[in-house]
Amino acid sequence: GESVGLHLPTLSVQEGDNSIINCAYSNSASDYFIWYKQESGKGPQFIIDIRSNMDKRQGQRVTVLLNKTVKHLSLQIAATQPGDSAVYFCAEDRRAGGTSYGKLTFGQGTILTVHP
Amino acid sequence: EAQVTQNPRYLITVTGKKLTVTCSQNMNHEYMSWYRQDPGLGLRQIYYSMNVEVTDKGDVPEGYKVSRKEKRNFPLILESPSPNQTSLYFCASSPPDRAFDGYTFGSGTRLTVV
Repeated sequence: GESVGLHLPTLSVQEGDNSIINCAYSNSASDYFIWYKQESGKGPQFIIDIRSNMDKRQGQRVTVLLNKTVKHLSLQIAATQPGDSAVYFCAEDRRAGGTSYGKLTFGQGTILTVHP
Repeated sequence: EAQVTQNPRYLITVTGKKLTVTCSQNMNHEYMSWYRQDPGLGLRQIYYSMNVEVTDKGDVPEGYKVSRKEKRNFPLILESPSPNQTSLYFCASSPPDRAFDGYTFGSGTRLTVV
């Protein structure tokens, strides 16, 4: 199988629990952040994004929090389900006036395992 | 269906034999990028393109070439592959100017260089 998950942080939760996945970003000039989910054998899949002029954004069962002071992002998944089991990556981008510079930088990822 | 298509999905080749991994998107996106994914290193950007005939190096461009002659295609070329280029490769595309947008990724190409 894939060895993408080697040495990655892991989070194990029970089905129905809430999950929180954390990410530290490096570039204080980054102003756009994205969370991706990657299942085994597949490419990263967009979950939710947030711009630096916001500190919270909510989607369906997911919430992203951004703390620019400490350069920290978190992804909260409510009522976690077995289908949420995957590797989760944060990514940072720089945009000027809504237009990307094209350089998307990924964090190393966190393995989420949801037990029935 | 809107998608990014990479070919081949799997490739085993020998050191020094030139190869091309193709990437095509049907969403009329301006931005396209190539990434490699290695254990413990996450996804690292190889090259990106902001539009036709506009390309730039990412974080790990050594040993790779790209071209962007048409908006929909962004092939990745390995002129002389080496074993350290064994990796999982992803192509991605995005429009540049929507306020909230993520990149759409292909399904990946697993390359082994022996």
